[in-house]
Amino acid sequence: DTEVTQTPKHLVMGMTNKKSLKCEQHMGHRAMYWYKQKAKKPPELMFVYSYEKLSINESVPSRFSPECPNSSLLNLHLHALQPEDSALYLCASSQDSNTGELFFGEGSRLTVL
Amino acid sequence: AQSVSQHNHHVILSEAASLELGCNYSYGGTVNLFWYVQYPGQHLQLLLKYFSGDPLVKGIKGFEAEFIKSKFSFNLRKPSVQWSDTAEYFCAVKGQGAQKLVFGQGTRLTINP
Repeated sequence: DTEVTQTPKHLVMGMTNKKSLKCEQHMGHRAMYWYKQKAKKPPELMFVYSYEKLSINESVPSRFSPECPNSSLLNLHLHALQPEDSALYLCASSQDSNTGELFFGEGSRLTVL
Repeated sequence: AQSVSQHNHHVILSEAASLELGCNYSYGGTVNLFWYVQYPGQHLQLLLKYFSGDPLVKGIKGFEAEFIKSKFSFNLRKPSVQWSDTAEYFCAVKGQGAQKLVFGQGTRLTINP
């Protein structure tokens, strides 16, 4: 079990759909992350929020839109995705953005048709 | 810029064999070092970490790693592997002052019973 909760676990969407991925942690962590992971590859950083402010955007296409409503929640809004966006999307948190010690959720497996 | 190199892409061992997975990094300063593990169908989790102090660090499930500063290495070891150690192993580095945690490409470990 992990203390970072992600929903949904699985999502299938068409290229014209709008959906959201959600992430929640109650460890009091002040940094939260979105990663994308393809099979048998390392996670690729997408976004970092530090103290609820976006601190890193790894040149992610605008069809991915992150949101941090409060220090415990992180959303990833999805719109007009492409089939190549199909992947496992991982949320992680850490005490702050300096340590590198991340706590990962189980991920949301996204399939874009 | 930081980078991490894991030398072995796929390692296959029999139970009770000894394990050493190589990890080298490049960064011109102080680093925090990590090994993360991803068991089949499970979330990424921290196996062990090095921040400072004793360069030999012990993690969960009998794993240990040694930081050799002169070699920029942080190799993972286990004296006797079990079938349940079958997983993907990622080395990661976070340089002090660097914004991001950088992952290696991963090593797939298969343990045959």
